Amino acid sequence: DIQMTQSPSSLSASVGDRVTITCRASQSISSYLNWYQQKPGKAPKLLIYAASSLQSGVPSRFSGSGSGTDFTLTISSLQPEDFATYYCQQSYSTPPEITFGQGTRLEIK
Amino acid sequence: QVQLQESGPGLVKPSETLSLTCAVSGYSISSGYYWGWIRQPPGKGLEWIGSIYHSGSTYYNPSLKSRVTISVDTSKNQFSLKLSSVTAADTAVYYCARLDVEMARPFDYWGQGTLVTVSS
Repeated sequence: DIQMTQSPSSLSASVGDRVTITCRASQSISSYLNWYQQKPGKAPKLLIYAASSLQSGVPSRFSGSGSGTDFTLTISSLQPEDFATYYCQQSYSTPPEITFGQGTRLEIK
Repeated sequence: QVQLQESGPGLVKPSETLSLTCAVSGYSISSGYYWGWIRQPPGKGLEWIGSIYHSGSTYYNPSLKSRVTISVDTSKNQFSLKLSSVTAADTAVYYCARLDVEMARPFDYWGQGTLVTVSS
């Protein structure tokens, strides 16, 4: 099975900062990589799908890149509402067997 | 607008079977897409449990496969999860979600989640 490793596990940043979160797959997954934001007590929210496509309604300060095994989520200018936990997710195989990264907690500095 | 809503007991005894249902509105399950269950133990990350296609084909997390059954009822526009022989390690918030069939297959719509506690 495919393992997903996110780094860092936690991150402190300030409003206005540029932040990058990394996700690495244990084998190539092409662009079958999605990113989610989760706030306490809420369901995850899809931000980026297929590595770099912005989900409808998601602010353009969020962007994704990468293919193969290495992927990044970038927030260009942190806003107060962006402090949350972020997860990557792969579903490369057919039929789909899905795995999530362990999460990255983004905290206010 | 697609909406999903989980329902089921919030407390299950050890060794018993956990049963949850996800009611879908705003979209007909029989029209397509995969439908899935994901769980999150308190304070921990997300774990995919399994998915079902609208045709009824199922795909399970290998680590849970021996205990999981996911089924679909297109007449009621809902799908269900059964997890047998539960232990305290199965205590979690359980989410249902729609899995887009397009490339990368993201979960694009989620239910609000329901906490299931395994305890005697």
